[in-house]
Amino acid sequence: QSALTQPRSVSGSPGQSVTISCTGTSSDVGGYNYVSWYQQHPGKAPKLMIYDVSKRPSGVPDRFSGSKSGNTASLTISGLQADDEADYYCCSYAGNYTLVFGGGTQLTVL
Amino acid sequence: QLQLQESGPGLVKPSETLSLICTVSGGSISRSSYYWGWIRQPPGKGLEWIGSIYYSGSTYYNPSLKSRVTISIDTSKNQFSLKLTSVTAADTAVYYCARHPTVTSFQVDYWGRGTPVTVSS
Repeated sequence: QSALTQPRSVSGSPGQSVTISCTGTSSDVGGYNYVSWYQQHPGKAPKLMIYDVSKRPSGVPDRFSGSKSGNTASLTISGLQADDEADYYCCSYAGNYTLVFGGGTQLTVL
Repeated sequence: QLQLQESGPGLVKPSETLSLICTVSGGSISRSSYYWGWIRQPPGKGLEWIGSIYYSGSTYYNPSLKSRVTISIDTSKNQFSLKLTSVTAADTAVYYCARHPTVTSFQVDYWGRGTPVTVSS
């Protein structure tokens, strides 16, 4: 069970859109529609932003959206805001009641 | 409002056992169909799922840690705990406890604040 692959960093200017990818295998991302995304600000616990590939919990702005194609899931943040600057982690069900996280992506709002 | 609070030693010696407790307040750990999990984050690194326990006691572990991990639940104290044996410096991390409704769709709705644990002699 290897960690999912995410870009180390992405950046965008306020108002722009950015997409963070999360690549796994057919045994995790590609095999199930159970990908979630977490936002983590420094020194804080993670916050759920997307679950089941594309569902948003109550209270999460619709600027955040998720999708999946094959073994790669994506988180898109539109209308970037300064407070979006954080680390983002994907997480996927990997079968046999196990979970695997991605390595994390640092988002910088320029 | 549900609250989770991790507690335990902040310093553990190599080869010893790391023991942490997560105390749940504001709700019963046994009266709802939730999973209670442990996640850790080494300094400057990403998140790693350690394992989870169902309110009924069924456990699920990360295969890479399974031989060293035990998660248990004490409904009388509204707590669940983590034991990690034979620790090394690689186990140094912030340890979070969390609640999630299923073990497939990892939707954590409540997190503890995290507790740092250092493995050092």
